[in-house]
Amino acid sequence: NAGVTQTPKFRVLKTGQSMTLLCAQDMNHEYMYWYRQDPGMGLRLIHYSVGEGTTAKGEVPDGYNVSRLKKQNFLLGLESAAPSQTSVYFCASRTGGNGELFFGEGSRLTVL
Amino acid sequence: AQTVTQSQPEMSVQEAETVTLSCTYDTSESNYYLFWYKQPPSRQMILVIRQEAYKQQNATENRFSVNFQKAAKSFSLKISDSQLGDTAMYFCAFMSGTYKYIFGTGTRLKVLA
Repeated sequence: NAGVTQTPKFRVLKTGQSMTLLCAQDMNHEYMYWYRQDPGMGLRLIHYSVGEGTTAKGEVPDGYNVSRLKKQNFLLGLESAAPSQTSVYFCASRTGGNGELFFGEGSRLTVL
Repeated sequence: AQTVTQSQPEMSVQEAETVTLSCTYDTSESNYYLFWYKQPPSRQMILVIRQEAYKQQNATENRFSVNFQKAAKSFSLKISDSQLGDTAMYFCAFMSGTYKYIFGTGTRLKVLA
């Protein structure tokens, strides 16, 4: 089983460029999440979705947009990348109930 | 807003010994879930153990157990008989009915041979 797949795995951007990270899950999960992981700051929630067509802001949403047009996909967009957005990004999904999150392998983004 | 605090950035333990990782949280909700996740050097995050707030009994999974103190809002993880494969970053996490899933800053655990 593929589980949660993130693409791309690595990307280097110049300041001001835009890009989209794709998260795909094949477990029919309702809930999906985008986090960023930075040294000393742990995992911080950017945006999340509780179902197809819905999104909500997390702890650090500024500079990011998301869309959940299909249940299996959750897209994270950077409209105008900034060096402060250099990070490792993780997508995760879960069903309701017990709450276990299933994570992707992460996407390392560098903004120069 | 909910917060999760892990006050130990790094810890080390000798192989076969026991170690306890601390976690405190803040919430005004009465029903919620708490979790410990492990992130080995390969970066894939996996669930170690979970605790439902309405359950008074502490959760246990093989060598991993928690000490859940609801009134004190404390949720520590005890690893018994530590193994080299336990070397990882450990994250405490909180989830409630708002569906937000909040993580702490992590504790880097190194098991020494």
